[in-house]
Amino acid sequence: EDKVVQSPLSLVVHEGDTVTLNCSYEVTNFRSLLWYKQEKKAPTFLFMLTSSGIEKKSGRLSSILDKKELFSILNITATQTGDSAIYLCAVGTNYGGSQGNLIFGKGTKLSVKP
Amino acid sequence: EAGVVQSPRYKIIEKKQPVAFWCNPISGHNTLYWYRQNLGQGPELLIRYENEEAVDDSQLPKDRFSAERLKGVDSTLKIQPAELGDSAVYLCASSLKGWSTEAFFGQGTRLTVV
Repeated sequence: EDKVVQSPLSLVVHEGDTVTLNCSYEVTNFRSLLWYKQEKKAPTFLFMLTSSGIEKKSGRLSSILDKKELFSILNITATQTGDSAIYLCAVGTNYGGSQGNLIFGKGTKLSVKP
Repeated sequence: EAGVVQSPRYKIIEKKQPVAFWCNPISGHNTLYWYRQNLGQGPELLIRYENEEAVDDSQLPKDRFSAERLKGVDSTLKIQPAELGDSAVYLCASSLKGWSTEAFFGQGTRLTVV
């Protein structure tokens, strides 16, 4: 059974701290790994990773994928209270040569205190 | 550009009653997904459409859930009859073509069955 496991499930830090969120996966027919930020209802897209070892950056956020060890990390530097959210990791799969499904982890709830 | 639009935002119904959710994806997006998200969990796929065809509905509880995407644009998800365990947030997402491109989520519908 395909699965995506995120850790930690929750994390409390202070403003200015650096955090690392983890995502490991076991899926057949891996295609891509995506990170989303969910503040209220709608998850918003952060990154999509398809190749190992290539870091993607957006401001204070960065992410990298290791397809050999089957995991990804999401780093947030100099955290701000606005970074408080649930961070979702999802893996997109191939299926029968066409686009497959997106399997989500349970998420990491990040709380950044002033 | 308008994002994915869902309605209603909130719905409270008594058990055994029917309920329907509506989703208008981003214009031009071929792929549409319905997810269910329980508290503290990641989104779980219910059904995925490629244009008007349901290509994966393996996780849809077909005894009470149904969905349609007429003309390959808007979609509705229906539950009849609703059960207490159906209380969750129902998320709709769309992408240009599967997970080769990023997916955009709507604000979701929070369903409470009492």
